[in-house]
Amino acid sequence: NAGVTQTPKFRVLKTGQSMTLLCAQDMNHEYMYWYRQDPGMGLRLIHYSVGEGTTAKGEVPDGYNVSRLKKQNFLLGLESAAPSQTSVYFCASSHRVRVDRNTGELFFGEGSRLTVL
Amino acid sequence: GENVEQHPSTLSVQEGDSAVIKCTYSDSASNYFPWYKQELGKRPQLIIDIRSNVGEKKDQRIAVTLNKTAKHFSLHITETQPEDSAVYFCAAARSGTSYGKLTFGQGTILTVHP
Repeated sequence: NAGVTQTPKFRVLKTGQSMTLLCAQDMNHEYMYWYRQDPGMGLRLIHYSVGEGTTAKGEVPDGYNVSRLKKQNFLLGLESAAPSQTSVYFCASSHRVRVDRNTGELFFGEGSRLTVL
Repeated sequence: GENVEQHPSTLSVQEGDSAVIKCTYSDSASNYFPWYKQELGKRPQLIIDIRSNVGEKKDQRIAVTLNKTAKHFSLHITETQPEDSAVYFCAAARSGTSYGKLTFGQGTILTVHP
């Protein structure tokens, strides 16, 4: 049981290049999320998905696109990378948060450190 | 949307002392408040959470209190140990709807000195 797996873990890009981060979870979670973590700014939600074939914007969606073609995978794409997108990206998954459940715990991947030069 | 403010940004204590981290939230409809711990270079992990139908929850040395009227909640760590050193994030969300997305605070770097 691997939990949440992100690839790649490290990447260096030049401005204008494109790339895709892959997230895979094996816990049959309905929800998946992409966050970015920057010093002093906590974790900010980029995009999220409440189920296969659905995606929605979070707090900071500009410059990113996502797709969820399969329930277990959530892809984050950067079409034209900018230095402002230098960050650590975390994927997470969870069951749907409900009042009657004991927890709405997010399970995070190990993070992907992206540097845009 | 929801806005979560967390204080202090850094906290330094001696081993054995208590540590308190406070968060305020803006959306009165938020009713789920988790705390995550992130050790250096690691992924965030849930340590405790509280729902709005209770005012306090404890788990060994950690406790969380919630004041819905004032819209703030706090994490209390007693008898701190060096392994408690980490970044702690509070968060808030509405549960019971179709979306469980969390809004996180900015984080508190806790350092416990031996």
